[in-house]
Amino acid sequence: GESVGLHLPTLSVQEGDNSIINCAYSNSASDYFIWYKQESGKGPQFIIDIRSNMDKRQGQRVTVLLNKTVKHLSLQIAATQPGDSAVYFCAENDEGGKLIFGQGTELSVKP
Amino acid sequence: ETGVTQTPRHLVMGMTNKKSLKCEQHLGHNAMYWYKQSAKKPLELMFVYSLEERVENNSVPSRFSPECPNSSHLFLHLHTLQPEDSALYLCASSQDTRDGYTFGSGTRLTVV
Repeated sequence: GESVGLHLPTLSVQEGDNSIINCAYSNSASDYFIWYKQESGKGPQFIIDIRSNMDKRQGQRVTVLLNKTVKHLSLQIAATQPGDSAVYFCAENDEGGKLIFGQGTELSVKP
Repeated sequence: ETGVTQTPRHLVMGMTNKKSLKCEQHLGHNAMYWYKQSAKKPLELMFVYSLEERVENNSVPSRFSPECPNSSHLFLHLHTLQPEDSALYLCASSQDTRDGYTFGSGTRLTVV
């Protein structure tokens, strides 16, 4: 069935290091993918998106990679900062227009 | 502020109470959504409204009743809830159902 899942529920990195958060999806018909960041007490906040006709997209300190062959999505955060500590969700927008979320990865940044 | 405002931020209600959650967006979006977020679970889509018409109802119990009077406002009416309904209820909007969503900060609901 349709599912979006994350490989690791928690990730701890040193401040200044790069972070990589991974996501696997199962619906090959999904054509739009989004990463969200959710801080404590707040709703999910859009970080970056990518459509299926691309395999890489860069933002400010963030890069999303899409590998459609193995149905894998990753979020790379460069020079991770304490303010990056949050739960990160990947989401896929399937052909029906629904946004399906993964379980989330909690990123902790050690000073 | 994201442009999607939810009230109240916190709500405690008894199982026999009736309450409503409110969501408001002034982003000019045409689609609005209710999600439920429980601890250790992915966000669960509850309802989708596109151009004020309900287009998705994900097998949600009838004790949750949505209302979308116009494209800027969305309500979730609650009655005779159960303790397991305690969760963070998130509202979101998007220009179209095929676009990314903008979320509100949520209503933290506790059913006692």
